[in-house]
Amino acid sequence: KQEVTQIPAALSVPEGENLVLNCSFTDSAIYNLQWFRQDPGKGLTSLLLIQSSQREQTSGRLNASLDKSSGRSTLYIAASQPGDSATYLCAVRKTGGYQKVTFGTGTKLQVIP
Amino acid sequence: ETGVTQSPTHLIKTRGQQVTLRCSSQSGHNTVSWYQQALGQGPQFIFQYYREEENGRGNFPPRFSGLQFPNYSSELNVNALELDDSALYLCASSQQGGYNEQFFGPGTRLTVL
Repeated sequence: KQEVTQIPAALSVPEGENLVLNCSFTDSAIYNLQWFRQDPGKGLTSLLLIQSSQREQTSGRLNASLDKSSGRSTLYIAASQPGDSATYLCAVRKTGGYQKVTFGTGTKLQVIP
Repeated sequence: ETGVTQSPTHLIKTRGQQVTLRCSSQSGHNTVSWYQQALGQGPQFIFQYYREEENGRGNFPPRFSGLQFPNYSSELNVNALELDDSALYLCASSQQGGYNEQFFGPGTRLTVL
């Protein structure tokens, strides 16, 4: 059974700081890994998708890496802004069958002006 | 291209009642997945529909059921509501094959009294 862990559960940083969010998974037989952002009470916004054959993806100030062998992914946010404040979730899609998706519990980020 | 939409936005029911939630998938997507998200938790996979058939299910009882229609829109039905069913219900659409990237709707907030 796939288990996905995100550490830390919460993070508070001053504006402008670079930061790293972590996602660990127990089963390396994955199809892809997707990072999402969720604002309070809202749906999920897709940030980055990394296929199992890829090592990293970049979009603007965001960079996500994937190390399947160690069961880890990181989301790097450069020059954080107050608008980045949200909960960040990683989701792992397994290979085979209907490709079940398992989510972590998220990291709640607060960027202080 | 329209995104994923869900209705209603909010819903209040009492224990024992039945509820139907609706989701319209993103144009070009043939797969819809439903998730339950309790407060402070990551989304939990309920089930997935592909071309009008349920092809995957999480650890949810049979009183959670669904449908997918020829236009790939979907319904989630919950019978005999319990207090613990209070949550944000999220629908995600994707295109099986390829990247299988999920796009989420804004969610339906269900409160069971």
